[in-house]
Amino acid sequence: KQEVTQIPAALSVPEGENLVLNCSFTDSAIYNLQWFRQDPGKGLTSLLLIQSSQREQTSGRLNASLDKSSGRSTLYIAASQPGDSATYLCAVRNKLVFGAGTILRVKS
Amino acid sequence: GAGVSQSPSNKVTEKGKDVELRCDPISGHTALYWYRQSLGQGLEFLIYFQGNSAPDKSGLPSDRFSAERTGGSVSTLTIQRTQQEDSAVYLCASSLGGRSNEQFFGPGTRLTVL
Repeated sequence: KQEVTQIPAALSVPEGENLVLNCSFTDSAIYNLQWFRQDPGKGLTSLLLIQSSQREQTSGRLNASLDKSSGRSTLYIAASQPGDSATYLCAVRNKLVFGAGTILRVKS
Repeated sequence: GAGVSQSPSNKVTEKGKDVELRCDPISGHTALYWYRQSLGQGLEFLIYFQGNSAPDKSGLPSDRFSAERTGGSVSTLTIQRTQQEDSAVYLCASSLGGRSNEQFFGPGTRLTVL
């Protein structure tokens, strides 16, 4: 059974800091990995999708990497801003299996 | 263009009643998914439709839950004889189909069972 773990569970950083969120999964037979953000009381916004054959994807200040053999992905956020405060979720496979999320707070 | 829409946004019902939740996927998306987000359980997969194939119902928690997708577009998730543990946010997602495509989520329906 696929299990997805996210570390840390919560993170508080000052504005401007670079940060890394971690995601690990137990079954490397994935089709892709998707990172989402969720604002309180809202749905999920897709940030990045990495196919199983890819190593990384970039969008603006976000960079996600994938190491399928070790079952790990990282989401790197550069120059964090208060507007980045949200819960970040990673999920794998087509019937998405989600991690519990990392609650990020960026202090101004 | 229009994203995934869901209705109602909030639903309060009494224990034992039936409820129907609706999802309108992005036009042209052949795959549609239902997920549930509840406190203490996180996000969990419920059911998956792909084109005209038989749906994958492996995530449905009990036989009180069912879903239909009519005409390959709109989907309805039905919960019969609701229980308090059914209280959660029900999220719908759609994608272009195929196992590697990006999923786009609707805003969800918050269900509260009193």
